[in-house]
Amino acid sequence: AQTVTQSQPEMSVQEAETVTLSCTYDTSENNYYLFWYKQPPSRQMILVIRQEAYKQQNATENRFSVNFQKAAKSFSLKISDSQLGDTAMYFCAFINNNAGNMLTFGGGTRLMVKP
Amino acid sequence: GAVVSQHPSWVICKSGTSVKIECRSLDFQATTMFWYRQFPKQSLMLMATSNEGSKATYEQGVEKDKFLINHASLTLSTLTVTSAHPEDSSFYICSASQGLNTEAFFGQGTRLTVV
Repeated sequence: AQTVTQSQPEMSVQEAETVTLSCTYDTSENNYYLFWYKQPPSRQMILVIRQEAYKQQNATENRFSVNFQKAAKSFSLKISDSQLGDTAMYFCAFINNNAGNMLTFGGGTRLMVKP
Repeated sequence: GAVVSQHPSWVICKSGTSVKIECRSLDFQATTMFWYRQFPKQSLMLMATSNEGSKATYEQGVEKDKFLINHASLTLSTLTVTSAHPEDSSFYICSASQGLNTEAFFGQGTRLTVV
């Protein structure tokens, strides 16, 4: 079974600064996909970024980038130039090829961006 | 991106009554949809996998007779909370994907309050 661990229940960052959210996972699979989802106060789940395990290059989406360390099973999210609208719960999630589209979520990190 | 619509957004019902929640993929077909439950300040907990044209697959500890799932078409899955009790009060979210190992699109969620 897969597990996803987010060791930081809460974090805060000053507006315009950079913050890194950590995520580790455990799997015996070799082919899988990793995601970071954002859940703002509206509670709508929004995809932030996606990484395929077979790709060595770290995914980047504007101010969001990941540090994917496959051997260490680590998948951290870096948010640059933090904005007030980044305040939300962030969930790390995992899909493996053999489980269809079933996501395994981490416990979440509550991020507060302070003005 | 694809759109998943969930209805209603919130509902209040009396103990002992049943409540139906709909999850629709608006611009794509989804053979599989997922139903999650989320308690305050916690992660999403997978309840069941809804399979079009066949029985749903329930996670351990989820009562299938309590949470009835029907996936009668490629664009609609429904979750019925039967004989609701106050402890069923929660936030319920559905998701669907366009293809295998692709990102999941989430509904807006339904806040259920049983009084």
